[in-house]
Amino acid sequence: AQSVAQPEDQVNVAEGNPLTVKCTYSVSGNPYLFWYVQYPNRGLQFLLKYITGDNLVKGSYGFEAEFNKSQTSFHLKKPSALVSDSALYFCAVRDLDDKIIFGKGTRLHILP
Amino acid sequence: GAGVSQSPSNKVTEKGKDVELRCDPISGHTALYWYRQSLGQGLEFLIYFQGNSAPDKSGLPSDRFSAERTGGSVSTLTIQRTQQEDSAVYLCASAQGAQWSTDTQYFGPGTRLTVL
Repeated sequence: AQSVAQPEDQVNVAEGNPLTVKCTYSVSGNPYLFWYVQYPNRGLQFLLKYITGDNLVKGSYGFEAEFNKSQTSFHLKKPSALVSDSALYFCAVRDLDDKIIFGKGTRLHILP
Repeated sequence: GAGVSQSPSNKVTEKGKDVELRCDPISGHTALYWYRQSLGQGLEFLIYFQGNSAPDKSGLPSDRFSAERTGGSVSTLTIQRTQQEDSAVYLCASAQGAQWSTDTQYFGPGTRLTVL
C-alpha cells in the first residue's frame, strides 16, 4: 500500500539555523510527492512538489526538498530558519487510486 | 482572485443533528476535494469531484456522510445524525486540471465541527 511517514511529531530549530523536516514514502512505481504548510488559523498552502526531473525541488518561502530514491525520502529543507516558518508541515504522496495521502504532520518551532 | 472559501468557519452541534458544510472553490477549477483533519491526525481523504464525472466517494467513513457539487462549482458536505467522533476540521480544496494527482491543490480555511 502507498504510504507516507513523518517520523517527527515536532522539530525545534533556532532562528538562523538550517532546518530539515523528514518524510519517507512507500509507493509502487514513480512517486509523486508534495509538501504543504499549515500556518496557525489558516488553511493549507502548497510549498512544492516532485513529479520528475531534478532531485532538488525548490518551492515557496525559500524551502526546498530533496528526492532520494535509494532512501525513499523527500525531506524538506531551508538553509536559514525564520520565526515565521513556525507551522505544521505535511508531506503527501499519490497513491495507486490516484488520491493523495497525507502524513500526520510535523510541527516546526523556530526559536528566536 | 479569491481563494477557496468555506462556511461556516465554526459549527457546534448536538449529537444526532444533521449538519451541512459549504465549499466555494476557486472559479474555473474543475476538481474539488473534501478532507477531514482530526486532532493529532493527518488529512483524511473523504471525497473527490472532477468536472461532470461521478465523484470518488471511497474516503467517506460511513453512509451518514454525503456530498454534492451543484453546477460544477459550490459543494456541500452533509453529515447526518452526527456523532462525537465526527468532531474535526473539514477542509475543502480545489485544483485546476484533470490530473488531480499532480495538480496543486488550493485549500480553504476549513470548518471546525464540534459535536457535543
